[in-house]
Amino acid sequence: NAGVTQTPKFRVLKTGQSMTLLCAQDMNHEYMYWYRQDPGMGLRLIHYSVGEGTTAKGEVPDGYNVSRLKKQNFLLGLESAAPSQTSVYFCASTRLRSGATYNEQFFGPGTRLTVL
Amino acid sequence: AQSVSQHNHHVILSEAASLELGCNYSYGGTVNLFWYVQYPGQHLQLLLKYFSGDPLVKGIKGFEAEFIKSKFSFNLRKPSVQWSDTAEYFCAVNEGDDKIIFGKGTRLHILP
Repeated sequence: NAGVTQTPKFRVLKTGQSMTLLCAQDMNHEYMYWYRQDPGMGLRLIHYSVGEGTTAKGEVPDGYNVSRLKKQNFLLGLESAAPSQTSVYFCASTRLRSGATYNEQFFGPGTRLTVL
Repeated sequence: AQSVSQHNHHVILSEAASLELGCNYSYGGTVNLFWYVQYPGQHLQLLLKYFSGDPLVKGIKGFEAEFIKSKFSFNLRKPSVQWSDTAEYFCAVNEGDDKIIFGKGTRLHILP
C-alpha cells in the first residue's frame, strides 16, 4: 500500500496563478484533510471531508477550495495564489470514527509551495 | 474555543537526558489525544495515542505519555533520549467531532 500520496512535491507559482494539489489514499478511509504548516504555527486545518461529495471548512479556509469527487482523492485548489500562501501543505486521512474513538490520521509527504 | 498548548517551543538536551514535553488542552468533555513526531524533511508520524482506559500509554521508540484528566494534560516523556530523537513533536486533540486540533509544536534538538 502506498498510503497517502501527494502531487506535486514542489511548486513555485507567481502571484495570481492558480493550481491544484492532489491527495490520494489507498486505505479506503472516509475522512480526508488538508493542512498547511508554517514555522511556529503548527498544522492548521484548511478544509476537510467526511465522505465522498462532502467538504467542510477548517480553521484557515480563505483563498482555498476543495473537492472530493472520489472517495480516494481530495483536491485542494488555489484560484489566485498569494505570497501568504507560501507554505508546506499536508494531506491526511483516517478511518470512520467508531463511537467515542477518533482514529489516528495518516499523513502524506507534503507539498512545498512557494508563491512569488 | 478549542485550544491545545505546548509550553516548550524549543528544547535542547544532551544524549541520555530525560525528556518531558508539556501539552495542555482546554476541552472539558471526552477527548482522544495524540502525539505525532516529524523528523527533519519528513511527514508526521504517530508516536502514541490515548482513547480510554489506562492513562499511561506507551508508544514507539520508548516514548510514553500520561493523561491527567484533572489537569487537562497529556505530557510526553522519554527516560533517555538519543540523537535520533531530534525532531518536532506535536500534541493533538480530538474533542468528539471529526477533526483534530494540533498544538504549535516543540522542536527538540539532541546534542551528541
